[in-house]
Amino acid sequence: QSVLTQPPSASGTPGQRVTISCSGSSSNIGSNYVYWYQQLPGTAPKLLIYRNNQRPSGVPDRFSGSKSGTSASLAISGLRSEDEADYYCAAWDDSRGVFGGGTKLTVL
Amino acid sequence: EVQLVESGGGLVQPGRSLRLSCAASGFTFDDYAMHWVRQAPGKGLEWVSGISWNSGSTGYADSVKGRFTISRDNAKNSLYLQMNSLRAEDTALYYCAKDMSWGSGDAFDIWGQGTMVTVSS
Repeated sequence: QSVLTQPPSASGTPGQRVTISCSGSSSNIGSNYVYWYQQLPGTAPKLLIYRNNQRPSGVPDRFSGSKSGTSASLAISGLRSEDEADYYCAAWDDSRGVFGGGTKLTVL
Repeated sequence: EVQLVESGGGLVQPGRSLRLSCAASGFTFDDYAMHWVRQAPGKGLEWVSGISWNSGSTGYADSVKGRFTISRDNAKNSLYLQMNSLRAEDTALYYCAKDMSWGSGDAFDIWGQGTMVTVSS
């Protein structure tokens, strides 16, 4: 049972906009930043969004993050086949890292 | 090139110990906090432990507290995880990850490729 709650799966067709939700509590998302990681099949995770809505250099602006209260979401616009991956939200909770269970995104 | 390379994984019997290492290169190692994150086969990510830039602060997941010890040697640009009293549920791919900040508590912006630990008799 993960501390942060994500839907196990999501899907979309190329060009579509998809959102992935992440729900937490006042001790994690409610009082700290949210991060998003992308894990392509067979590879290490990669930082996608940091501090709620900031993109590291090299991450396309098709990816965006937002936070409201104790929930956060990742939006992917102009969906592409290479976006098919597992996506994890994360936050800090009493100085301990916590992750969501991950959302498997399928591009139909 | 910024790089993290883990080593030390392997097959170990329950109750035994193992020490993981992570060699960092391409950035000023002692400017940043570091972490270990693991992923059991077919499962999600789990934060294991973190250490601040100067080893002044460490943190552990409840699942490993009292059994695992994180440490670093800034002179050698290396991070370590001493794992004692290993259990079957510790079986996972262990990633070394760099924190964006010095104090521990920000994003993990660089990840290694991981080292596999299998606990089985």
